[in-house]
Amino acid sequence: DGGITQSPKYLFRKEGQNVTLSCEQNLNHDAMYWYRQDPGQGLRLIYYSQIVNDFQKGDIAEGYSVSREKKESFPLTVTSAQKNPTAFYLCASSIGLGSGANVLTFGAGSRLTVL
Amino acid sequence: DAKTTQPNSMESNEEEPVHLPCNHSTISGTDYIHWYRQLPSQGPEYVIHGLTSNVNNRMASLAIAEDRKSSTLILHRATLRDAAVYYCILSDHTGANSKLTFGKGITLSVRP
Repeated sequence: DGGITQSPKYLFRKEGQNVTLSCEQNLNHDAMYWYRQDPGQGLRLIYYSQIVNDFQKGDIAEGYSVSREKKESFPLTVTSAQKNPTAFYLCASSIGLGSGANVLTFGAGSRLTVL
Repeated sequence: DAKTTQPNSMESNEEEPVHLPCNHSTISGTDYIHWYRQLPSQGPEYVIHGLTSNVNNRMASLAIAEDRKSSTLILHRATLRDAAVYYCILSDHTGANSKLTFGKGITLSVRP
């Protein structure tokens, strides 16, 4: 079945450590996204990528970094510069940008807790 | 960016229809209306989307007002599995999926 796989599902980190969250899709989608969700809140866009080797900052990119070396993969690194990294992180993909009808497919999420 | 307004929560009874409202008074002519839902501790899933005409699929129906300033997601027979947070969002024709803003959504509770 096609879909998005995020790993790990749960992750604990000590303050000051960088951590990388994995996101892989086999949907042949061009566009990929990272969102952050805090308890009881909506989703906020961190980064997005329209094509391999290209990505753009979203609304809350500070303290995060991404790469897009392969179409299928869009890993997110939460750096020590992120002041409040404890959150639920969601990866999504879509066929592309360019149409308001594009539908997002989400992964199951990764829950990061900073100890 | 055009924004949407939804009530915080709604309750329904199992096997009854549910109408979830959404206001988007600043919608532009090219904005699509999308609905997603999120079960606890899961990623959101797509429900339905439309531009001007009402839409039906296996999950739900989307009724869009003639002036497009509001819309209603209709679940024809609510089940306990439909208890979730439902997000109404707008996506413009320039492909601003990158700008999709998920607000707090509306929390639907379903009573047995």
